Amino acid sequence: AQKITQTQPGMFVQEKEAVTLDCTYDTSDPSYGLFWYKQPSSGEMIFLIYQGSYDQQNATEGRYSLNFQKARKSANLVISASQLGDSAMYFCAMREGTGGTSYGKLTFGQGTILTVHP
Amino acid sequence: DTGVSQNPRHKITKRGQNVTFRCDPISEHNRLYWYRQTLGQGPEFLTYFQNEAQLEKSRLLSDRFSAERPKGSFSTLEIQRTEQGDSAMYLCASSRIRDGIYEQYFGPGTRLTVT
Repeated sequence: AQKITQTQPGMFVQEKEAVTLDCTYDTSDPSYGLFWYKQPSSGEMIFLIYQGSYDQQNATEGRYSLNFQKARKSANLVISASQLGDSAMYFCAMREGTGGTSYGKLTFGQGTILTVHP
Repeated sequence: DTGVSQNPRHKITKRGQNVTFRCDPISEHNRLYWYRQTLGQGPEFLTYFQNEAQLEKSRLLSDRFSAERPKGSFSTLEIQRTEQGDSAMYLCASSRIRDGIYEQYFGPGTRLTVT
């Protein structure tokens, strides 16, 4: 069963505007972590933001914020003030279990290609 | 931190040959992961080490695949008798706990092409 679903194969946004990339997940584990990674054309996976299942507030890291809706099992990434350098593939990932009891392996979605237009 | 490094960056091999990839994690990161990524897909977990102990292997990892992490430092991933279906990007990641989170830092990957 698909554990991480990213339904948008591609998204386009105008420079300086905000964009939301969708991610839904499925798990029966009450403890889990959600991650977003950026993969530019160079291929390296760059960690962007993390949200723990017990975190009360939505995570933010600079221009990135995670819209965490636990009941809907969604963890959308919001990028504010898009820049040309944001053009890349974006992956949502989940780790089941948290802390020392978790092996930490990540399950990734299929990815969304974001293109920022000038 | 100097980052996770992987060698080689690219490898072209003929079907049936053996290949070995190396990953050097960020120093003092005790966890090391291998993932495989095919074109247009997200990475898929292959195996995981905590220090020198290999604690989990995915069922994706057939008997032709073996990974080691001697002394809990660098790791190697060997593929024996390569097949065309092994063509993919092989990603290594390392992590340590920070603020209760195991953030995984990825290397640049090794792109394998089996002809």
